[in-house]
Amino acid sequence: KQEVTQIPAALSVPEGENLVLNCSFTDSAIYNLQWFRQDPGKGLTSLLLIQSSQREQTSGRLNASLDKSSGRSTLYIAASQPGDSATYLCAVSDNAGNMLTFGGGTRLMVKP
Amino acid sequence: GAGVSQSPSNKVTEKGKDVELRCDPISGHTALYWYRQSLGQGLEFLIYFQGNSAPDKSGLPSDRFSAERTGGSVSTLTIQRTQQEDSAVYLCASSRSGTSGSYEQYFGPGTRLTVT
Repeated sequence: KQEVTQIPAALSVPEGENLVLNCSFTDSAIYNLQWFRQDPGKGLTSLLLIQSSQREQTSGRLNASLDKSSGRSTLYIAASQPGDSATYLCAVSDNAGNMLTFGGGTRLMVKP
Repeated sequence: GAGVSQSPSNKVTEKGKDVELRCDPISGHTALYWYRQSLGQGLEFLIYFQGNSAPDKSGLPSDRFSAERTGGSVSTLTIQRTQQEDSAVYLCASSRSGTSGSYEQYFGPGTRLTVT
């Protein structure tokens, strides 16, 4: 059974810092990995999708990398801003139906 | 275009009552997913639809839970004889296809269910 772990569970940084969120998964036979953002009391916003054949994806200040063989992904956030404060979730699809298995999330606080 | 919508946004019900939760996926998305987010369990998969059929119901926690999808669009998740442990946020997602595992999932805002 696929298990997804995110470290750290919570992170507080001053504005402007570059930061890295980590995600690991136990079964490397995945189809894709998706990073989401969740604001309190809200649904999930998709940030980046990395297909299993890809090594990284970039969107603005966000860069996600994937090392499928070692079962790891990182989300890099450059020049963090208070508006980046949210919970970040990674999820993997390891089946043709694309059902996602989620990590527990990293709660990020960026202080002004 | 419009995103995934869910209704109601909040539902408070008494233990033992039945509830229906609705999901309107993004137009043209053939795959639809239900997930549940609770404090103790995190985010967990419930059921997946490809068109109107449900190839995978493996995440439904008990036979009190059922779901249907009609016209390849709207889906309803029904919980019968609700229990307090059913209290959670129920999230719906859709994607262009549920095959080959290649497509991005887009989530709705969720329905917060509280069973008193």
